[in-house]
Amino acid sequence: ETGVTQTPRHLVMGMTNKKSLKCEQHLGHNAMYWYKQSAKKPLELMFVYNFKEQTENNSVPSRFSPECPNSSHLFLHLHTLQPEDSALYLCASSQDASGRGETQYFGPGTRLLVL
Amino acid sequence: GQQLNQSPQSMFIQEGEDVSMNCTSSSIFNTWLWYKQDPGEGPVLLIALYKAGELTSNGRLTAQFGITRKDSFLNISASIPSDVGIYFCAGLGRAGGTSYGKLTFGQGTILTVHP
Repeated sequence: ETGVTQTPRHLVMGMTNKKSLKCEQHLGHNAMYWYKQSAKKPLELMFVYNFKEQTENNSVPSRFSPECPNSSHLFLHLHTLQPEDSALYLCASSQDASGRGETQYFGPGTRLLVL
Repeated sequence: GQQLNQSPQSMFIQEGEDVSMNCTSSSIFNTWLWYKQDPGEGPVLLIALYKAGELTSNGRLTAQFGITRKDSFLNISASIPSDVGIYFCAGLGRAGGTSYGKLTFGQGTILTVHP
């Protein structure tokens, strides 16, 4: 238990569906992150939020829409995804996004399958 | 994006053997992190290193922050079957500025332990 939870753990969706991934951290951190991990590829950073403000969008397609209502919660809204978007989506948090406070703690991930 | 050079890519060892893996970079980092990832789960932080030359232990794990700040190694002593998984190194905070939460990951070392 790392203090970062993600729901759902598994998700199967069609290309026309709309779904949301949820992340919650219980560590009192101020920065949260979304990563994509595809098979046999390194972790890809998607978004960074620091004190609820988005500070990084790593050229992510608009069919992925993040939302950070407060420092403890992070959502990833999904719509009209493609099969190649199937991957493990990981959430992480850190104290903040600078210096030693950047040490990140990951959630268990959501395994997404797009049909 | 940039990656760290992590080696070896995979290791097959007998239970009880010691393991060593390392990461090198052409860039200087202010922080080195080592994570372990089990299949279908998120990376779990094993050891965080914040100072050049720092040697830190966590049970049977020992990691060092290279004096040049361009490398780090992780040793596992007396391996056991539950050590199986993928081990990642990650660097943070390039010299001269913050990385704004952007971890640079190694490619991972897949560890298999035979009973």
